[in-house]
Amino acid sequence: GAGVSQSPSNKVTEKGKDVELRCDPISGHTALYWYRQSLGQGLEFLIYFQGNSAPDKSGLPSDRFSAERTGGSVSTLTIQRTQQEDSAVYLCASSPSQTAGYTFGSGTRLTVV
Amino acid sequence: GQQLNQSPQSMFIQEGEDVSMNCTSSSIFNTWLWYKQDPGEGPVLLIALYKAGELTSNGRLTAQFGITRKDSFLNISASIPSDVGIYFCAGFPNFGNEKLTFGTGTRLTIIP
Repeated sequence: GAGVSQSPSNKVTEKGKDVELRCDPISGHTALYWYRQSLGQGLEFLIYFQGNSAPDKSGLPSDRFSAERTGGSVSTLTIQRTQQEDSAVYLCASSPSQTAGYTFGSGTRLTVV
Repeated sequence: GQQLNQSPQSMFIQEGEDVSMNCTSSSIFNTWLWYKQDPGEGPVLLIALYKAGELTSNGRLTAQFGITRKDSFLNISASIPSDVGIYFCAGFPNFGNEKLTFGTGTRLTIIP
C-alpha cells in the first residue's frame, strides 16, 4: 500500500494474556522500526530491522517482548504475559535507507486491563 | 543513551501568532528532523535538515540545523487551527547510528 499499515488499531487485553501487533511497511523499504509511546510521552525505541541483518533489539524493555520480520516485509511485535504498564501506543515505521526519515503508521493502541 | 531536550513542553497561542520551539542535545547530531503528530495518528515528517547551518522552509514552517550540530529550531508563522498537535524533533546522533532519537515533544494548542 501507499503507507505503513498497522493492525489492529486498538487492542484491549486482560493482564497476563499474550498479544501480537502487526506492521506492514511501505513496499521496498528495507528498514523497519518499532517505537512505543506512552500517554503524553515521547517515542521510546524498541527494535529495528534492516534488510537481512540481525535486528537491533536494544530497546526491548523485557524478555516478554519480541519481534520478527518475515521475508523482509511484514513485522509482528509480540508481548507475552502482558502487564498494565505495557499499555501504550505502539508505532511502526519504515524507511528506504538507514538514515532517511521514517514514515510512521497510525499505531496500535494497547490497553491492558 | 542519547537524549534530546525539547522546549517548551507546551504552548498556548492565539491563531495568527508565530511559534518557535527548539531542541538541544549534549552531543553532536548529523541529521535533524521535525515531525508533527495529530491525535490518533503516527508522526508525520515536516522538515529534514542534513547540514550544519542549513535553513529549510516548508510553507509556513522554517527549521534550522544549528551551527554547533547540537541544536535545531522550528518556527511556524501565522498559526492556523490545523497547526494544533504535538511536534517532535528527532535526529541521528552520528554516522552509522541508524536509530532516530526523539525529543519529548511540544504540544501546541491554539486558543480561540
